Order: sequence, then structure tokens, then C-alpha cells
Amino acid sequence: EVQLLESGGGLVQPGGSLRLSCAASGFSFSAYDMNWVRQAPGKGLEWVSGTGGGIFYADSVKGRFTISRDNSKNTLYLQMNSLRVEDTAVYYCTRVRDGGRCFEYWGQGTRVTVSS
Amino acid sequence: EIVLTQSPATLSLSPGERATLSCRASQSVSSYLAWYQQKPGQAPRLLIYDASNRATGIPARFSGSGSGTDFTLIISSLEPEDFAVYYCQQRSNWPSITFGQGTRLEIK
Repeated sequence: EVQLLESGGGLVQPGGSLRLSCAASGFSFSAYDMNWVRQAPGKGLEWVSGTGGGIFYADSVKGRFTISRDNSKNTLYLQMNSLRVEDTAVYYCTRVRDGGRCFEYWGQGTRVTVSS
Repeated sequence: EIVLTQSPATLSLSPGERATLSCRASQSVSSYLAWYQQKPGQAPRLLIYDASNRATGIPARFSGSGSGTDFTLIISSLEPEDFAVYYCQQRSNWPSITFGQGTRLEIK
């Protein structure tokens, strides 16, 4: 069974940093593109960053967030620096479906609140 | 960036009725469109990929169609558990991925 378990969320002041982790199990982690998707309170879904034929970021986080993975630990990370109030959201770790054009598996999400 | 516009924003129907949800892209996404269902407090769940293929475990009452810029998700006969928010998503021009703003399907 595929499982994705995020951790690392919390309350941080504007300008601060957080590192999110996503522990994956039940599949060959190194063989799949992995992504982060977020959802601000009461809002829709927003793709944040992904690994797939390279590393890519949404314009809204470029230069502030860094995605990485440790295939030996089956873990995906998101280092978030210079956090802004508008980064407040639930952050989901996702695994793409074979073929890579959609998100087949989602974690339960970890909540990030940026507030003074 | 490809913009996905979903309509209607809210759809009010009764169990047993047929639901038709629309997603329109600002430029062609070929058939690279997916649909997700999200219930309150839960992560989204993949329903349809590549416009018309049901994901694993998705009931047959869910069907998707379309290509290019116009797509439709149909729920043939609504069950009580189908009332949720539905999102479309494209990954036609990777690395740009976009979601529609969502359609809320509520009980009438």
C-alpha cells in the first residue's frame, strides 16, 4: 500500500523558515516523480514544486523554496525560506501516476501557518 | 500559463440525479487533463486521468470526456458520498501545472 506521511508544519513568523518532510512507503520511491501541492485556507489547489526530469517551482515560490529528495531514506523534502503570510496553507506531498501527468497518491497534508 | 476555468462554481442537486461539471482550458491541453474529488478535511482523490480514464477503484458512475480545451466530468447518478468539491488539473506544458478553481457539488 502506498503511503505518504508529511511532517514539519507549524506556526512561523513572516521571514522565517520551515522544512517539510514526506516519508514514502509501499512503492519504489526513486522511480517516481514527486511533487508538493498546497491549499490555502478555504481556497483551491496550487502546485508548488516537483521533481521530474529536473526540479521545478511555481513562480510564487521560486527563489524561496527548495525541493529535494533522499532516495536512500524514501523521503521528499521542502525547505521553505523567507516565508510570507500568503504561504499559509496545507501542504500535500504527492506521487505522480505512471506517465507523470497527474497526482495519483496524496499524503494527509501538513499545515503551515505564517503569522506574526 | 494555462488557465483552467470550471463551471458552475456551485451545483445543487439531489441524490440520484445526474451531475455535469465543466472544465475549460485557455489553450489546448490535448487529453492531459485529470479530475479530483475533495471532501472536507481530506486530501484530494484522483478520479479521472488523461481526460477519460477512471483511476483505480473509482466507481463506474464517474466518467470523463473531452479533448483540447473543453472537458466534462459526469456523475451518472449521485450517491450521498459524492457531494464534495471537484477540481480539474492539467500538465500539458510541464513544468507548469495548473488546477481549476473547483466546483462545489452540494445537496439540494
